[in-house]
Amino acid sequence: EAAVTQSPRSKVAVTGGKVTLSCHQTNNHDYMYWYRQDTGHGLRLIHYSYVADSTEKGDIPDGYKASRPSQENFSLILELASLSQTAVYFCASRGQGGAETLYFGSGTRLTVL
Amino acid sequence: AQSVTQPDARVTVSEGASLQLRCKYSYFGTPYLFWYVQYPRQGLQLLLKYYPGDPVVQGVNGFEAEFSKSNSSFHLRKASVHWSDWAVYFCAVSMHTGGLSGKLTFGEGTQVTVIS
Repeated sequence: EAAVTQSPRSKVAVTGGKVTLSCHQTNNHDYMYWYRQDTGHGLRLIHYSYVADSTEKGDIPDGYKASRPSQENFSLILELASLSQTAVYFCASRGQGGAETLYFGSGTRLTVL
Repeated sequence: AQSVTQPDARVTVSEGASLQLRCKYSYFGTPYLFWYVQYPRQGLQLLLKYYPGDPVVQGVNGFEAEFSKSNSSFHLRKASVHWSDWAVYFCAVSMHTGGLSGKLTFGEGTQVTVIS
């Protein structure tokens, strides 16, 4: 069973603070993704990576950084958290090939006050 | 650029009734298409996916979807809804080839509410 684990499950942060969301996969997948979910917007891609030590910008990268130190781990970093970044964040992984299934974590609910 | 539209934000259906969720996509060429489901407080799970070939795709839990290139659609159907189908359903499109292959673009989602 493919497994993607996110931590923390939820977090409250203060405006201007630094937030790090972590993701770990045991699927031996090359591709990893960070999506953001807001009501009425579906999921929007923030950053992704197809190899360790390399990350790519997705559709809404502003205000976010990503880090892929190993094949298994992929972090999302908010250097200066803002109110508009309150959302649910999902990490996902998949193998190579456009038709491969995305396997999602359970999400991190981030509230910025 | 690829895009997906789910025109119905919310659908209410009686248990045992049929269900159809609409999905329209915009993509140059023949895409890979997916339906994912999100149960309350969980991540997304794959229901079914379309490869070029048979336009009707069978998925889990009695769901099926039909691809139409002429209508740029990939509608999801279920003959008889169960209360456990209460969830949010997402349609998604993926590029075929190249370095960005597998980048999924999601629709806004359709919330399905099941009533008795």
